Amino acid sequence: QSALTQPPSASGSPGQSVTISCTGTSSDIGGYNYVSWYQQHPGKAPKLMVYEVIKRPSGVPDRFSGSKSGNTASLTVSGLQAEDEADYYCSSYAGNNNNVFGTGTKVTVL
Amino acid sequence: QVQLQESGPGLVKPSETLSLTCAVSGYSISTAYYWGWIRQPPGKGFEWIAIIYHSGTSFYNSSLKSRVSISVDTSKNQFSLKLYSVTAADTAVYYCARRLWEYQFDYWGHGTLVTVSS
Repeated sequence: QSALTQPPSASGSPGQSVTISCTGTSSDIGGYNYVSWYQQHPGKAPKLMVYEVIKRPSGVPDRFSGSKSGNTASLTVSGLQAEDEADYYCSSYAGNNNNVFGTGTKVTVL
Repeated sequence: QVQLQESGPGLVKPSETLSLTCAVSGYSISTAYYWGWIRQPPGKGFEWIAIIYHSGTSFYNSSLKSRVSISVDTSKNQFSLKLYSVTAADTAVYYCARRLWEYQFDYWGHGTLVTVSS
């Protein structure tokens, strides 16, 4: 399976919103409502931020929200804070118990 | 608190076999869920490698399937990865993680860097 496509970078000022897209195919994102998003700070393990497209694990601020339309999923970070500066990766179920990850987006807080 | 810890050699020679183990604490592998391996080449994104259930049922990334083997040892509450005939392209940070029924990975190890070099 091919990696999901994300923009290499995104940025916003503190308090603003930034939206990251994640484009796949009908065999992954478009075929299932099993998209998850991960935040990774440099040198750290990834942290689950969103799962099943729109759900947030306990402890994740509601500033993080997910959505999906067709073969494209999105993660929006509202009210940007300095600690939101990180790399973000999407992932989708791709059938036959396989997962596929996105190419990653570096979010910069200006 | 679920914790995962990867262990194994940090340096492997080309054409040899990469072997890693993930020790799980705070949760019994035999209870539920799939357990898997994911890697991240330096400066790049993640690649899903394989997952396994406590019964031994396993699934592999088709692009790596011919070179990968995943196994589980429920008595030690750990699972392992073997990657055969490695090349420099297999140099990456290897993570182990727990995958829930909705296909998300909720707990990850800290990751271990494996370099393939002579």
